[in-house]
Amino acid sequence: DGGITQSPKYLFRKEGQNVTLSCEQNLNHDAMYWYRQDPGQGLRLIYYSQIVNDFQKGDIAEGYSVSREKKESFPLTVTSAQKNPTAFYLCASSTQGYSNQPQHFGDGTRLSIL
Amino acid sequence: GQNIDQPTEMTATEGAIVQINCTYQTSGFNGLFWYQQHAGEAPTFLSYNVLDGLEEKGRFSSFLSRSKGYSYLLLKELQMKDSASYLCAVREDSNYQLIWGAGTKLIIKP
Repeated sequence: DGGITQSPKYLFRKEGQNVTLSCEQNLNHDAMYWYRQDPGQGLRLIYYSQIVNDFQKGDIAEGYSVSREKKESFPLTVTSAQKNPTAFYLCASSTQGYSNQPQHFGDGTRLSIL
Repeated sequence: GQNIDQPTEMTATEGAIVQINCTYQTSGFNGLFWYQQHAGEAPTFLSYNVLDGLEEKGRFSSFLSRSKGYSYLLLKELQMKDSASYLCAVREDSNYQLIWGAGTKLIIKP
């Protein structure tokens, strides 16, 4: 079955530690996205990538980094510079070229501070 | 600026009909999406509107008025499993990014 796989489901970060969230898709989508979701707020875009080896900052990129070395993979690193990382992180992907195509989401990673 | 407004929470009765509204103010418009999100899970796509009017898909329908910056999601014959948050998202232009509302939490009572 085609879909988006995020891992791990739960992640705990210690002070000063960088952690990496995995996102893999087998939908052959060109575009991939990382969102952060906090209670009572809409999804906020962290980074997005429309093609391999290229990515752009979203609205809240500070304290995060990404890479897009393969079409299928778009890992997100939460660095120690992100002072409030506790949130639900969602990865999404979509096709390009057709505006009616929705974004498809993985099951999310819940990150907490130890 | 960009702004999408939805009610924070709504309550409805099993078997009834509920309408969830979404108003938006964006610099451009290239489509509006509705998603359903159960607690702790991923959002799942429900509907897409880009032209004015009603799109019907089984028990769910979505309406759009571009001149009013307004959309609603209509859920009929409510079931307990419809208890979830409903997210409205607007695509401003052709870069495929979405602007998201905070979501409406729908509580279904027996």
